[in-house]
Amino acid sequence: DIQMTQSPSTLSASIGDRVTISCRASQSISRWLAWYQQKPGKAPKLLIYDASTLESGVPSRFSGSASGTEYTLTISSLQPDDFATYYCQQYNSYSRTFGQGTKVEIK
Amino acid sequence: EVQLVESGGGLVKPGGSLRLSCVASGFTFSTYSMNWVRQAPGRGLEWVSSITASSSYKYSADSVKGRFTISRDNAKNSLYLQMNSLRAEDTAFYYCVKGRDGEQFCDFDYWGQGTLVTVSS
Repeated sequence: DIQMTQSPSTLSASIGDRVTISCRASQSISRWLAWYQQKPGKAPKLLIYDASTLESGVPSRFSGSASGTEYTLTISSLQPDDFATYYCQQYNSYSRTFGQGTKVEIK
Repeated sequence: EVQLVESGGGLVKPGGSLRLSCVASGFTFSTYSMNWVRQAPGRGLEWVSSITASSSYKYSADSVKGRFTISRDNAKNSLYLQMNSLRAEDTAFYYCVKGRDGEQFCDFDYWGQGTLVTVSS
């Protein structure tokens, strides 16, 4: 199975900060990667798919990029609504593995 | 508006069975793959099972293979998860999730609110 290693597990940041979250795949996943945001008590919400395509309705401060097996979610200027947990997920294989999550906290 | 409404969760004893249902609306159910994803309280997301639009292909995580069965009824816009031989570690919120595509591996673009399954004696 493809393993997804996400880092950091927790991130403390301030409003307006640029934030980056990384996800490394154990093998090539050919950009078949999505990013989700989850707030406490709520279902996850899709932010980005195919590594860098912004889902409709998602603010443009969110972006995704890829380099080899390393994938990055960037929030260009952190807003109050962005404090949440973020997950990456690969869908290159039938087993749609998630990363372990990154919690973005208020500094 | 896409809506996914799960039901069937509850308390069950170890070794017991439960059947989860999900009723979909707001899109052409028969043309999209569907999935179940679970999340133990306070833990991360775990993919459980997927089924293609035509039911031609079904996939399950190793942790539930042989115990859980995914199925769908396109005439009823419904997705199911039959869970047998339940264990304490199956305790989680179970989310019904829509895939972006019908037959290919894809991302998950809409999620239900989840139903809680608790396995305990």
